[in-house]
Amino acid sequence: ELKVEQNPLFLSMQEGKNYTIYCNYSTTSDRLYWYRQDPGKSLESLFVLLSNGAVKQEGRLMASLDTKARLSTLHITAAVHDLSATYFCAVDMWGTGNQFYFGTGTSLTVIP
Amino acid sequence: GAVVSQHPSRVICKSGTSVKIECRSLDFQATTMFWYRQFPKQSLMLMATSNEGSKATYEQGVEKDKFLINHASLTLSTLTVTSAHPEDSSFYICSARAGRRNEKLFFGSGTQLSVL
Repeated sequence: ELKVEQNPLFLSMQEGKNYTIYCNYSTTSDRLYWYRQDPGKSLESLFVLLSNGAVKQEGRLMASLDTKARLSTLHITAAVHDLSATYFCAVDMWGTGNQFYFGTGTSLTVIP
Repeated sequence: GAVVSQHPSRVICKSGTSVKIECRSLDFQATTMFWYRQFPKQSLMLMATSNEGSKATYEQGVEKDKFLINHASLTLSTLTVTSAHPEDSSFYICSARAGRRNEKLFFGSGTQLSVL
C-alpha cells in the first residue's frame, strides 16, 4: 500500500522566518507534485518535479525531489501571511500520470 | 492556465436521492479526468479515473454502482452519487489533464455535498 506522509501536519510560523515541509513516500516514483489549498477551495498547482534532483522555485517557495530517499521538500523563505494555506504533495504512483496519491497535508499559518 | 469548471459548488440533498456533479475542461480537451473526495481537514482520496469513451477505473473500496462516472466527451465528465446517504457528505473535486503525462493536473473548484 502506498503511503505519502507529510511532516509536519500543522505549522505555525512567524512572518519572515524560514521553514521546510517534508513529504515522504513509500514507493518508487520519480514524479511528485505540490499543491496549495485555501479553505473551502480547490487545489492550485505549485510545482511539478519529474526527476531525481529536480529543484524548482517560485517566489518564496522552493521544492526539491530526492527519489532515492523517496523524499520531497517544500522550503519556505521569509514567510508572509499570504502563504497561509494547506499544502499537499502528491505522488504519481506508476509514473503514468493516472494515479495520484496525496499526502496528508500540512496546514500552514503565518503569523504577522 | 487551463480552466476546469465544476458544478455545482454546493449541494444539499435528502437521503436516498441522487446527485450529479459536472466537471468540464473549458479551454482544452481532457482525455483523462480524475475524481477525488476530501473529508474535512483530511487529504484527497482518489476515487476513480475516467478516460473519454471508456469505463472508469475505480480505486479499491469505491463502489462503482454508487458513484457513477460518465466521461462522454473530451470536455465533460460527470459523477453521480446514487441513493446518497449522510456518510457520502464530503467535498468532491475533479481534475483533468490534457493528455501528456508530464503536464500538470488542473483541478475543479470542488463540490461540497451535504446529505441530510
